[in-house]
Amino acid sequence: AQSVTQLGSHVSVSEGALVLLRCNYSSSVPPYLFWYVQYPNQGLQLLLKYTSAATLVKGINGFEAEFKKSETSFHLTKPSAHMSDAAEYFCAVSGPSGNTPLVFGKGTRLSVIA
Amino acid sequence: IAGITQAPTSQILAAGRRMTLRCTQDMRHNAMYWYRQDLGLGLRLIHYSNTAGTTGKGEVPDGYSVSRANTDDFPLTLASAVPSQTSVYFCASGRDSWNTGELFFGEGSRLTVL
Repeated sequence: AQSVTQLGSHVSVSEGALVLLRCNYSSSVPPYLFWYVQYPNQGLQLLLKYTSAATLVKGINGFEAEFKKSETSFHLTKPSAHMSDAAEYFCAVSGPSGNTPLVFGKGTRLSVIA
Repeated sequence: IAGITQAPTSQILAAGRRMTLRCTQDMRHNAMYWYRQDLGLGLRLIHYSNTAGTTGKGEVPDGYSVSRANTDDFPLTLASAVPSQTSVYFCASGRDSWNTGELFFGEGSRLTVL
């Protein structure tokens, strides 16, 4: 069974600082990996996805993530945090053929301090 | 605006009562999902449907039922609500059942069972 582990339920950064949200996955087959963002009182929306093409994936709002098979990781980064980045971020995994529903991590709440 | 509509947005319910959460999408997506979101537990899949006429059980299906009579609608029913079903429920849809694409989420239904 596939699973993801997000390290840190809460991350706090200063405005303009690097954002790093960690995600490790467990899968017996090559996975599809996703990052979603949830702003307060809203549903989730897709930030970016990895589906076995380029290992460095660029998403919306300046976020990117790198798939590292050797480390079974898919960490999310952004060079410079903005106040508007404050939200809950979820990593998710699916199977190689994608015929299984997404499994989400428990989420990481990002706070941005002025 | 195309998307997913959930109703009600919020509901307080007495334990033992029957409740149906409604979900409608107008994107003609084949796959639909119900997740519940609880603090510290992230999103957990309740039930899913890869196409109209078929449904499947997710991680936490007990106490819930779904039906998929047509492409657009995917209601979630709590036959006899219990306090542990207090949660925020999200409906989502995907273009196909392969999960290689983006999931679109509704705004959520906040349910409180007393």
